[in-house]
Amino acid sequence: DQQVKQNSPSLSVQEGRISILNCDYTNSMFDYFLWYKKYPAEGPTFLISISSIKDKNEDGRFTVFLNKSAKHLSLHIVPSQPGDSAVYFCAANAGNNRKLIWGLGTSLAVNP
Amino acid sequence: EPEVTQTPSHQVTQMGQEVILRCVPISNHLYFYWYRQILGQKVEFLVSFYNNEISEKSEIFDDQFSVERPDGSNFTLKIRSTKLEDSAMYFCASSGGATVIGYTFGSGTRLTVV
Repeated sequence: DQQVKQNSPSLSVQEGRISILNCDYTNSMFDYFLWYKKYPAEGPTFLISISSIKDKNEDGRFTVFLNKSAKHLSLHIVPSQPGDSAVYFCAANAGNNRKLIWGLGTSLAVNP
Repeated sequence: EPEVTQTPSHQVTQMGQEVILRCVPISNHLYFYWYRQILGQKVEFLVSFYNNEISEKSEIFDDQFSVERPDGSNFTLKIRSTKLEDSAMYFCASSGGATVIGYTFGSGTRLTVV
């Protein structure tokens, strides 16, 4: 089941630069997308979301972009900080279904 | 900040034994979920629970699995006869509303079946 794909298992970025994490999906019924952040030995923490009726949502240093025609979304973190080092999961939801479909995650390392 | 609490953090069990994973959701939340993540694989939905009954379950959630809200505060996942392939991190989550916004996860229980 590859409905949500995060093709980069890892990403390394210098502190202060932009981190861009990508996510692709195949199910056109998805209408809500979320990014979660996960530290070791902790559960996923909600970061930011976007509805399919929008193409951008911003919250502080975090911005999510959605390109529906390409079935692609990305999370931008700027400026990146060492505390942002974690695994980032993209997840998607369809309609009234409260089930989340997850990508495999991208491990981000922000180097001081 | 309110949080979802899961116990134990790590459980080791013999194959064929029953295990109960416990969760205390956020007190005013109405929807409860179990997810699991096998090492190196995706986080997978198991079950959602609302109004004292299962609202949706995945194909993973077979007759070996059950959930219960025994006392109005705890939310448990029981695996009747564990298999080696049940070894995973099990995450409980709760949400206040019907949408996925505000899904709060616990820290997880690492289940190891030997």
